[in-house]
Amino acid sequence: ETGVTQSPTHLIKTRGQQVTLRCSSQSGHNTVSWYQQALGQGPQFIFQYYREEENGRGNFPPRFSGLQFPNYSSELNVNALELDDSALYLCASSLAVWSGGTDTQYFGPGTRLTVL
Amino acid sequence: ELKVEQNPLFLSMQEGKNYTIYCNYSTTSDRLYWYRQDPGKSLESLFVLLSNGAVKQEGRLMASLDTKARLSTLHITAAVHDLSATYFCAAGGGATNKLIFGTGTLLAVQP
Repeated sequence: ETGVTQSPTHLIKTRGQQVTLRCSSQSGHNTVSWYQQALGQGPQFIFQYYREEENGRGNFPPRFSGLQFPNYSSELNVNALELDDSALYLCASSLAVWSGGTDTQYFGPGTRLTVL
Repeated sequence: ELKVEQNPLFLSMQEGKNYTIYCNYSTTSDRLYWYRQDPGKSLESLFVLLSNGAVKQEGRLMASLDTKARLSTLHITAAVHDLSATYFCAAGGGATNKLIFGTGTLLAVQP
């Protein structure tokens, strides 16, 4: 059983650029959630995808968008990067309760984004 | 809106001592999670608590849940240096089970 993987590990961008972060779910999981963790803080929920549809969104602007693919891997896209977007971006996969799972979210290693 | 508060924010303790981290949440939540995070690393799932009175133990860590008081505790018994990390509680539930995290408790165990 493979765990959650994310790429790239680190990324440096400049203000105004666009970025795409990628996540591969743990085998058998059908739900992916994305979180932003600023330095010294707890993670904050960005959005969740279930079977390729957005299934909930936190307080993030529309320039944060995502996709989930048929193999349940996922992308997080951020347009018009701002300095405050510098953070660790975590994805977490889970198997939904209505699919026979427990909803427990297992986190990937994260992508550290620095915006200059 | 669900809010989660942890205390203390920082805990320095000696090896061999016991201590408790507290996690309060503001509204009803279906489930409560505890995670560990080492510096520069991701989150490791420690415990999932699903019902009032739930108690789970793993090694020197024990977590409990009181849904009536909206309180979860993480008790550390006879701390060792390897337990040094940041511990987060998170409340979840609802259709998305989105996790609302506390601010974290930075635990430093001194020899």
